[in-house]
Amino acid sequence: GAVVSQHPSRVICKSGTSVKIECRSLDFQATTMFWYRQFPKKSLMLMATSNEGSKATYEQGVEKDKFLINHASLTLSTLTVTSAHPEDSSFYICSARGGLGVGSHLYTFGSGTRLTVV
Amino acid sequence: QQPVQSPQAVILREGEDAVINCSSSKALYSVHWYRQKHGEAPVFLMILLKGGEQKGHEKISASFNEKKQQSSLYLTASQLSYSGTYFCGSNFNKFYFGSGTKLNVKP
Repeated sequence: GAVVSQHPSRVICKSGTSVKIECRSLDFQATTMFWYRQFPKKSLMLMATSNEGSKATYEQGVEKDKFLINHASLTLSTLTVTSAHPEDSSFYICSARGGLGVGSHLYTFGSGTRLTVV
Repeated sequence: QQPVQSPQAVILREGEDAVINCSSSKALYSVHWYRQKHGEAPVFLMILLKGGEQKGHEKISASFNEKKQQSSLYLTASQLSYSGTYFCGSNFNKFYFGSGTKLNVKP
């Protein structure tokens, strides 16, 4: 089945630094990937849609200059949290819509990244 | 665009049944159901594509109404392993999760 690999699984960084999270589709090509953020006891909120070879589209209220998304290839999307602050501490997770036919309806999720900004 | 789920939380004893509802103000292209354990990624349970569709097995099943605006997840004879937060999700070229329902199954 479709597999999405996300790294790192956990990261602790100092306030003011930047952190990069990688999301790779291992056995299928993903022209579109999605990034979510989840605060404790809350739902997963869509942050942005990452499109291969073009600019990401961000949901309302998400700062595009703070959350930089790059989708340089059909299998890799990265999310960079720039100038991180403690309020950016959260669980970040990516997903990719994969395959053809029925598979095109399914979303495969990475394992998530727990970001803690101190 | 985020579907609304009810109830927000439910506590069950092992062996009891539960129903989780997911509603949208607009017709959904499809509805997906996920279960998430604390600190982990959501795990896919099932997808329903057609209005009036019902699928699943004896223990966990789901329905999608004819208008494709409401879906229900049925958990029968619940087990301890069913504990977690359940999310429905809608697909409008992007995937939005519902508000979530926390299920706690106790011995």
